[in-house]
Amino acid sequence: QSALTQPASVSGSPGQSITISCTGTSSDVGGYNYVSWYQQHPGQAPKLIIYAVNNRPSGLSNRFSGSKSGNTASLTISGLQAEDEADYYCSSYATTDTLLFGGGTKVTVL
Amino acid sequence: QVQLQESGPGLVKPSETLSLTCTVSGGSINSYYWSWIRQPPGKGLEWIGFISHSGDTNYSPSLNPSLKSRVTISVDTSKNQFSLRMNSVTAADTAVFYCARVGNYKRIDYWGQGTLVTVSS
Repeated sequence: QSALTQPASVSGSPGQSITISCTGTSSDVGGYNYVSWYQQHPGQAPKLIIYAVNNRPSGLSNRFSGSKSGNTASLTISGLQAEDEADYYCSSYATTDTLLFGGGTKVTVL
Repeated sequence: QVQLQESGPGLVKPSETLSLTCTVSGGSINSYYWSWIRQPPGKGLEWIGFISHSGDTNYSPSLNPSLKSRVTISVDTSKNQFSLRMNSVTAADTAVFYCARVGNYKRIDYWGQGTLVTVSS
């Protein structure tokens, strides 16, 4: 199984909304509602920001939201802030009872 | 609050064995699945595999065959620890290694801080 496909980079100005896509197959993203998203700042461990497609962990900003259509999941960051500049990774459960990661997307706040 | 802490050598010689241990505190290892993930410098996350408290393992099918055959994940419930062994390492195995918990909904909800392992003579 290949890694999930994400755009290498996405940018936006403060206050704007951006969307990051995560494309898989019917054996992973399309087959299960077990898509998660992680934010990683330089030198830090990743942090869970979305799970089960569109659920936020307790206390996380509602500026982060997730969705899924077919084999593609999406993460939307609204009201973009400087602190949102980071790498973002999607992950999905797959039919082989394993996890797959996307290649990561670098978000730049202009 | 569950916490995970990786431990092990930061430098391993080529062809030798990389061994890391993850100690879980603030919760029991006797539930959920426990995972290893690596991240080569400047690159993305790569899921290696996971293990249950009873020792059931599953490794990433997207690992290249040479890596898959070199990796073993084990668990020691008496110490609330799980471990990673990777033998015959090369410079390409240099990475930050994270241990993590796979919680409900297959989410990775707790991560260790990560440990950099450099393969070099």
